[in-house]
Order: sequence, then C-alpha cells, then structure tokens
Amino acid sequence: GAGVSQSPSNKVTEKGKDVELRCDPISGHTALYWYRQSLGQGLEFLIYFQGNSAPDKSGLPSDRFSAERTGGSVSTLTIQRTQQEDSAVYLCASSLKRAQETQYFGPGTRLLVL
Amino acid sequence: DQQVKQNSPSLSVQEGRISILNCDYTNSMFDYFLWYKKYPAEGPTFLISISSIKDKNEDGRFTVFLNKSAKHLSLHIVPSQPGDSAVYFCAASQVGRGYNKLIFGAGTRLAVHP
Repeated sequence: GAGVSQSPSNKVTEKGKDVELRCDPISGHTALYWYRQSLGQGLEFLIYFQGNSAPDKSGLPSDRFSAERTGGSVSTLTIQRTQQEDSAVYLCASSLKRAQETQYFGPGTRLLVL
Repeated sequence: DQQVKQNSPSLSVQEGRISILNCDYTNSMFDYFLWYKKYPAEGPTFLISISSIKDKNEDGRFTVFLNKSAKHLSLHIVPSQPGDSAVYFCAASQVGRGYNKLIFGAGTRLAVHP
C-alpha cells in the first residue's frame, strides 16, 4: 500500500512569507507526527496528533508554527512570517495508533528560506 | 540539552566486517529505543527497536544491545554490506508515560566499502 506522502518535496520562499506543508499519512493510521531536521542535526519533534485528542504541540519552536489535521487524516503544517532559521527538512510520520507502534516517515519537504 | 547523543558522526567499515554504532542517553525515564536508517532524499526507515525490559533484540544481521545502567545502546550489523551505507539515527521515547514523541540523536553516517 501507499506510504506517507508529503508535498511539496522542495519549497523555496522569501523571508517573511507564509508556507504550508502537507502530509498524507498511511491510511488507517491514527497517529501523526511532524519533525524537522536542520542541517547537521538530528530530527526534532514538533507536534503530535492522536485521533480526536488535543494535539501535543510541545515541540513547536514559536507561535509562527501551527498545524492542523482535518478529518483525522491529512495534516498541514503552516509557518508564518518565515525566517532563515526555519530552513530545514520537515518530516511527517504516522503510526497505527500508539507509541509502541513503528513510526513510518514520509520523504520530507526541503524548505529553504532566502 | 541533548537527551540522546550519537558521538560518532561517521564510521567506515569494510564489507563483511561488523559495524557498531553507539548511542548514549541522559533521561532515565526513556523506556523504548529505536534505530532508524536514512538514505539521502528519503525519510528515515525503521530498523529495529528494544524495550527497556530487555537487554538485547536481534533481527537478522541487526542486533541492538541496551545497557540501562550505563544509559547506552548500540547497534551491531554483521556482516556489513555496501547497501548498509546510510545515516543511522538512534531514538528514544517514554512509552510508559504516554509520551509518544521520539527524541533523536544527530545520526552516524556509516560507509561500508568493498
């Protein structure tokens, strides 16, 4: 079956613009995660959605970052007023339901803020 | 404050030999550990995991060892193959406390040469 998909694969934007990154999780997976990987760094947790529960937003670096998950499936990560330090690979992952379940990652969106 | 550390940014191994990748953690509340493998321009793929109630888990050529007293885990690949060349990330979570996010190390780049 289809894996996690993300779009766009690459995004170049100017400082101060807003961007939206999209994630389509594996069908039937109720848990969805966003991470980002800055150059030379490990993956940094951003936000976690589980079913209809309130999302865990503890990893969002600032209030310029927000995420939604509509209908328990597709998720959108929005970065407002982008800054150069937002440049990174943004990765989405999904898992069947809970923490012990393996997280399956998408290919990521490479964001470059000029 | 890095809770998961991979102190070797790179490792070079001859084909057929053993590859040993190391990972240290500081948070004694972590109870679930995973290794992910990442090829360029792809998302990380799950390799192997271990619960804190075990000290060893084996899957084919891959074995993960956990030393809780030392807060150390390692991934052994035997025998190493050129296709194993990738970046390997160690990750940890607090499954028992319901914290589903993964905390990743910075990764180790493994090169297996003929």
